[in-house]
Amino acid sequence: GAGVSQSPRYKVAKRGQDVALRCDPISGHVSLFWYQQALGQGPEFLTYFQNEAQLDKSGLPSDRFFAERPEGSVSTLKIQRTQQEDSAVYLCASSSRTGGFRYGYTFGSGTRLTVV
Amino acid sequence: AQKVTQAQTEISVVEKEDVTLDCVYETRDTTYYLFWYKQPPSGELVFLIRRNSFDEQNEISGRYSWNFQKSTSSFNFTITASQVVDSAVYFCALSEAFLGFGNEKLTFGTGTRLTIIP
Repeated sequence: GAGVSQSPRYKVAKRGQDVALRCDPISGHVSLFWYQQALGQGPEFLTYFQNEAQLDKSGLPSDRFFAERPEGSVSTLKIQRTQQEDSAVYLCASSSRTGGFRYGYTFGSGTRLTVV
Repeated sequence: AQKVTQAQTEISVVEKEDVTLDCVYETRDTTYYLFWYKQPPSGELVFLIRRNSFDEQNEISGRYSWNFQKSTSSFNFTITASQVVDSAVYFCALSEAFLGFGNEKLTFGTGTRLTIIP
């Protein structure tokens, strides 16, 4: 597609529930990133994929967070046993192998997760 | 560790005024990249500019200009003749260089909320 698409746009989860957030990157973009943006804060890096390989997951806050990109295109961020501190906007970004370095990243509109 | 500081939490100016958003960064890398992003109410981050640490030449793009000064570790953003459509949250970000393979993770500041009053 023309841009990075994320779904759902909004998600309300009860504490303890598992959630799955989807990211459709720009077609052909090999690099994919997930960021977490708490209210009033800047985005914070969670994890990075190059094609289907997860090369950096140093930003995942706990083992309840899991991300995958099995075919090198669509990615899913899964959060198990959600807690209130997981409430945030989750942003996905993609970049081409050569373009991202020069032109930055293209971000999606994010999924706003609220844990109640 | 890398750090980006945007000391101005919120700024309000009257339309057509000029406004400067400050950004100060910390890094031990000698090669790095600086970015500015705009986040309108719709939520997506819109790329504005990227500069590398070897290029201190100031840049102008229409009403936008950027002042990069390594001596003070600052990368400030000025909007000239502001317009209501400029209202948004603006983020400054820093990444280390990684040979162009597109996996540079960004360290963001906390953002500056800019409101342009008509």
